[in-house]
Amino acid sequence: KAGVTQTPRYLIKTRGQQVTLSCSPISGHRSVSWYQQTPGQGLQFLFEYFSETQRNKGNFPGRFSGRQFSNSRSEMNVSTLELGDSALYLCASSSLGSWGGYNEQFFGPGTRLTVL
Amino acid sequence: QKEVEQNSGPLSVPEGAIASLNCTYSDRGSQSFFWYRQYSGKSPELIMFIYSNGDKEDGRFTAQLNKASQYVSLLIRDSQPSDSATYLCAVKLSFGNEKLTFGTGTRLTIIP
Repeated sequence: KAGVTQTPRYLIKTRGQQVTLSCSPISGHRSVSWYQQTPGQGLQFLFEYFSETQRNKGNFPGRFSGRQFSNSRSEMNVSTLELGDSALYLCASSSLGSWGGYNEQFFGPGTRLTVL
Repeated sequence: QKEVEQNSGPLSVPEGAIASLNCTYSDRGSQSFFWYRQYSGKSPELIMFIYSNGDKEDGRFTAQLNKASQYVSLLIRDSQPSDSATYLCAVKLSFGNEKLTFGTGTRLTIIP
């Protein structure tokens, strides 16, 4: 079974621009979560989508948004980029377990965003 | 107080020895606990997870939970140079909330 895929793998943008990142979860996984990883703050939760609905959101400004499509693929968008948005953006997917809860999350390779 | 805390290391362990990694969490209601390994320049890779009901062993790896003291440990037996990486502890508050809260990670170096 193919793993979580993310595109693009690398991006260079300038301040003020916007960017869209894409994530395709493992087949059958309906929950997609997004995280930002920086050397200073570590891994921080951005938001989580399930069945095209945002269920949880982290403490990030409204410039960070996302969506999920009916095939569970997800995109996240960052508008009006700032230098501090330079980070590794990771997507993770998980499946619904037979016991009613969600199974463990598997991460994609990430998108390295550099803002100049 | 941070929600999940780890000693950043680096932790150096001789090859073949046991590496012990620890993580403390602040929310007593936390339900599940995860250990991820991250090699430099790569994304986190799941090693093990445990729920609040017990410990778990998988090959050379053992994850243990001490609910009273609110810490989770990962033991790596017969450490190999390939185990050198940053180990991230993550906590999930409830089964219905997919948010993982991560510690800052412990950098482990296995010395041949």
